Amino acid sequence: EAGVVQSPRYKIIEKKQPVAFWCNPISGHNTLYWYLQNLGQGPELLIRYENEEAVDDSQLPKDRFSAERLKGVDSTLKIQPAELGDSAVYLCASSTGQGAAKNIQYFGAGTRLSVL
Amino acid sequence: GDSVTQMEGPVTLSEEAFLTINCTYTATGYPSLFWYVQYPGEGLQLLLKATKADDKGSNKGFEATYRKETTSFHLEKGSVQVSDSAVYFCALSNYGNNRLAFGKGNQVVVIP
Repeated sequence: EAGVVQSPRYKIIEKKQPVAFWCNPISGHNTLYWYLQNLGQGPELLIRYENEEAVDDSQLPKDRFSAERLKGVDSTLKIQPAELGDSAVYLCASSTGQGAAKNIQYFGAGTRLSVL
Repeated sequence: GDSVTQMEGPVTLSEEAFLTINCTYTATGYPSLFWYVQYPGEGLQLLLKATKADDKGSNKGFEATYRKETTSFHLEKGSVQVSDSAVYFCALSNYGNNRLAFGKGNQVVVIP
């Protein structure tokens, strides 16, 4: 079974440019998460989707960040415009959202963003 | 809010040594507790979990026991290998919100 797939793995952009990250969750997983991981820190939740609905986006900086999961499968996270402080690893995770395995999240390898 | 505290600093030890990584938490109610591991260049992988007090999670020789009285979930392994070199994250999730709160992680380096 394929795991969570993210692309690109690395992205280098200049400040004020837009950038987008893509995530394909594990097949059948209804819940999708985007996390931000700064260097030397644990991941922090940006947004959580249940199917196509964003049910927890309280940590998403909405002035420059946006996300979508139009068909309840793949998701895209966008930053526009990027700032120097956005340099970090952006992680996507998914879970079944049901039953005893509800709280078990499976992570992708992440996208490492460098803003110059 | 819910939070997780891991011991400060990287951990360097020799092969076959005993490993302990401390983790304490602050949470309302009865959270589930997790240890995730991140190998170089890879995503986080669930190592083990415990969902209620006194539960012991175990996997690949690692163990951790959910101690509600001390609000702790320390990770242990009796004999580490070079392949255990990675970053280890303690995390909690309160049932119903699905949000994982992570500690800062501990870099473990095992020297042959």
